[in-house]
Amino acid sequence: NAGVTQTPKFRVLKTGQSMTLLCAQDMNHEYMYWYRQDPGMGLRLIHYSVGEGTTAKGEVPDGYNVSRLKKQNFLLGLESAAPSQTSVYFCASSLGNSDTQYFGPGTRLTVL
Amino acid sequence: EDKVVQSPLSLVVHEGDTVTLNCSYEVTNFRSLLWYKQEKKAPTFLFMLTSSGIEKKSGRLSSILDKKELSSILNITATQTGDSAIYLCAGLYNFNKFYFGSGTKLNVKP
Repeated sequence: NAGVTQTPKFRVLKTGQSMTLLCAQDMNHEYMYWYRQDPGMGLRLIHYSVGEGTTAKGEVPDGYNVSRLKKQNFLLGLESAAPSQTSVYFCASSLGNSDTQYFGPGTRLTVL
Repeated sequence: EDKVVQSPLSLVVHEGDTVTLNCSYEVTNFRSLLWYKQEKKAPTFLFMLTSSGIEKKSGRLSSILDKKELSSILNITATQTGDSAIYLCAGLYNFNKFYFGSGTKLNVKP
């Protein structure tokens, strides 16, 4: 079991560029989440999904879009990157909504 | 206003000391409280607490939820340098929303 994997691990973008972060899990989990973590702050929920084909907004959804076309994958998109989106992005998954979340290793994104 | 607040923000202790980390949370739509340890990269799960007054224990770590005080503590006894990390507290609320505190950075010196 690979658990939760994220690609890429690092990325540098210029303002206005777009990109997609991929999260994959092989644990057959229903729930998947995208967080961002900024220095000195905890994780903030961007978007989440409670099952294939469903997505919902979290605490800080603006500037991001997500898709869950397959149960094992959860994609996070930035259509027009801004320096304020410089952060470390973590994906997580859980079996149900009251279960432990398992986190991926993170993606460090820098927007210049 | 933050739903989950942790204290202290940072802590320096020596090996063998006992530490207590605090987490307070907002009650509206609250369901459970979770503790995570974050070393270099991804947070790893420690405890999930749903019922008040029931201690959960794992080796030298233990945690308890107090629903009257809207708080939880994480205790680490006989600390080791390997306990150095950021400890995150998170509240699980209705509609599957997780809110994390800003973390307590623990530094255990030899």
